[in-house]
Amino acid sequence: DADVTQTPRNRITKTGKRIMLECSQTKGHDRMYWYRQDPGLGLQLIYYSFDVKDINKGEISDGYSVSRQAQAKFSLSLESAIPNQTALYFCATSDLVQGRHTQYFGPGTRLTVL
Amino acid sequence: ELKVEQNPLFLSMQEGKNYTIYCNYSTTSDRLYWYRQDPGKSLESLFVLLSNGAVKQEGRLMASLDTKARLSTLHITAAVHDLSATYFCAVSAGGTSYGKLTFGQGTILTVHP
Repeated sequence: DADVTQTPRNRITKTGKRIMLECSQTKGHDRMYWYRQDPGLGLQLIYYSFDVKDINKGEISDGYSVSRQAQAKFSLSLESAIPNQTALYFCATSDLVQGRHTQYFGPGTRLTVL
Repeated sequence: ELKVEQNPLFLSMQEGKNYTIYCNYSTTSDRLYWYRQDPGKSLESLFVLLSNGAVKQEGRLMASLDTKARLSTLHITAAVHDLSATYFCAVSAGGTSYGKLTFGQGTILTVHP
């Protein structure tokens, strides 16, 4: 079974709809992240959480919100989706092991906003 | 603000040839990561470089880090088709933000017969 899972894997929605993307992990990591990927722009950090009570904005948080329900779950919400939020969204986790903070990525959610 | 730039962004290679991808970053950091992404797939960790002069090798890929020049390289030796993918470098911010990564734009590598 995958260590980092995301649901749904694909979603098509309409402008103005509220949508939630969910991420779960079984790696036992404290840190979780949400990124979006657009062609030619690499990955941009939306929000990150270093533990259940710690949530921080990333580079592009406007139009997004998050909830860290438990150590293993981190959800991303689009309160009112707009077409330029069409992108590939990744959740990732990390933990400090031997000085490393290697991030482990989920399979991604492809979101299309019409 | 930490900025990470890769070049080239597109790389078309013949099998058997060697080439290098460069990753420059704008502020001090001693943690640099290389990831691989196959089309339509997630990101897979390749290398973690933790100190100046660090060199890591796996198969036909070798990564190095020069923290004084703020430069990392990913060298490809005798390329094969299976190496076709997008390669990202990412740099970790320091201080209390350890673990928070800033990514380069990615280098799309295509290896031709």
